[in-house]
Amino acid sequence: DAGVIQSPRHEVTEMGQEVTLRCKPISGHDYLFWYRQTMMRGLELLIYFNNNVPIDDSGMPEDRFSAKMPNASFSTLKIQPSEPRDSAVYFCASSPGGQPGSFFFGPGTRLTVL
Amino acid sequence: GQQVMQIPQYQHVQEGEDFTTYCNSSTTLSNIQWYKQRPGGHPVFLIQLVKSGEVKKQKRLTFQFGEAKKNSSLHITATQTTDVGTYFCALGGSQGNLIFGKGTKLSVKP
Repeated sequence: DAGVIQSPRHEVTEMGQEVTLRCKPISGHDYLFWYRQTMMRGLELLIYFNNNVPIDDSGMPEDRFSAKMPNASFSTLKIQPSEPRDSAVYFCASSPGGQPGSFFFGPGTRLTVL
Repeated sequence: GQQVMQIPQYQHVQEGEDFTTYCNSSTTLSNIQWYKQRPGGHPVFLIQLVKSGEVKKQKRLTFQFGEAKKNSSLHITATQTTDVGTYFCALGGSQGNLIFGKGTKLSVKP
């Protein structure tokens, strides 16, 4: 198994631009999570899905952030418009579940907003 | 919501010295997980503890879950430079999610 796949690995954009991050979870995992990591705030849970349905999006910073999971093998996190304070590493993780199961993280997308 | 305090935030040791990081919660935990993140990498699952007083070992790493299930520790014996990274504890949420501590960043001087 290739593990959790994220793209792009690095993204540099200018303030105001739209950014789309992509994730392919491990096949068979029912849960998919989006985390953001910064030095100041650590690992923050943004949103997670169970069987493609969003369960909790209370961690999404504001309306500029949106996430979708159209099928079991793909999810996107979109920021529109992006701001410099959105600069961080964004991780996608999947889990088979089981109160809870172990999480498998992707390599992350390092986002820099200028 | 549930929170976990992890200490220390940073630890600098000489190679060969021992290292311990602690997680503390004000509420009883159903389980706790530990992850390691190497510099520039992503968190990698190490272990899950479920039972009161549980102790598990992985080579030089020893994981403990407190008797009251409110705290946990990770101890590394005789650190090596390969142990460098940030160690996180994480609490299982009620709906399959994980709540991460702030982590302990370990540096090892050769």
